[in-house]
Amino acid sequence: GAGVSQSPRYKVAKRGQDVALRCDPISGHVSLFWYQQALGQGPEFLTYFQNEAQLDKSGLPSDRFFAERPEGSVSTLKIQRTQQEDSAVYLCASSSGPSNQPQHFGDGTRLSIL
Amino acid sequence: KQEVTQIPAALSVPEGENLVLNCSFTDSAIYNLQWFRQDPGKGLTSLLLIQSSQREQTSGRLNASLDKSSGRSTLYIAASQPGDSATYLCAVRDYGGSQGNLIFGKGTKLSVKP
Repeated sequence: GAGVSQSPRYKVAKRGQDVALRCDPISGHVSLFWYQQALGQGPEFLTYFQNEAQLDKSGLPSDRFFAERPEGSVSTLKIQRTQQEDSAVYLCASSSGPSNQPQHFGDGTRLSIL
Repeated sequence: KQEVTQIPAALSVPEGENLVLNCSFTDSAIYNLQWFRQDPGKGLTSLLLIQSSQREQTSGRLNASLDKSSGRSTLYIAASQPGDSATYLCAVRDYGGSQGNLIFGKGTKLSVKP
């Protein structure tokens, strides 16, 4: 597709359930980023992939958060044993690689934990 | 640790007015600075990207400036229109971390009244 695609757009889960969020980056983009955006805040960095390699996961808030990109294209962000504070919008972005290139964002997945 | 601040948090102007949004950052060692627009329930749309070696970038009615030494950027919107109403986010990519992630401000919520 022409842009970054994320699914589902909305996800409601009960506390304690596991969830999986998908990101389909722009074709050919080697860099992929996940961000978490709380209500009224700017996005905060979670993790970064270059192709299939996860080069930085310093922003993941706990070991309940796990991300993968096994074939260097589609990425999945998994949250285990969800808690209420995990409720946020999860944004995925991709770029063509070098640090001087812009990041292009998807519409995000709005996650609500009941 | 890099911190990005945006002032004001919210701004309401009548249609046709020229306006300036401000962004400041604490560490001048950046690769670039990017301005985004975010509509309610949507992801981020990239507006302008200024490399660290550049002073400004222009796109249509938008002009963004960068003064790296003072840690400041401004986004100038000429002849504002109701369709410009959105939240505007500023983000820097600095030398810390994976050299990939963006560090965002909390945004300025702009309302342009007809």
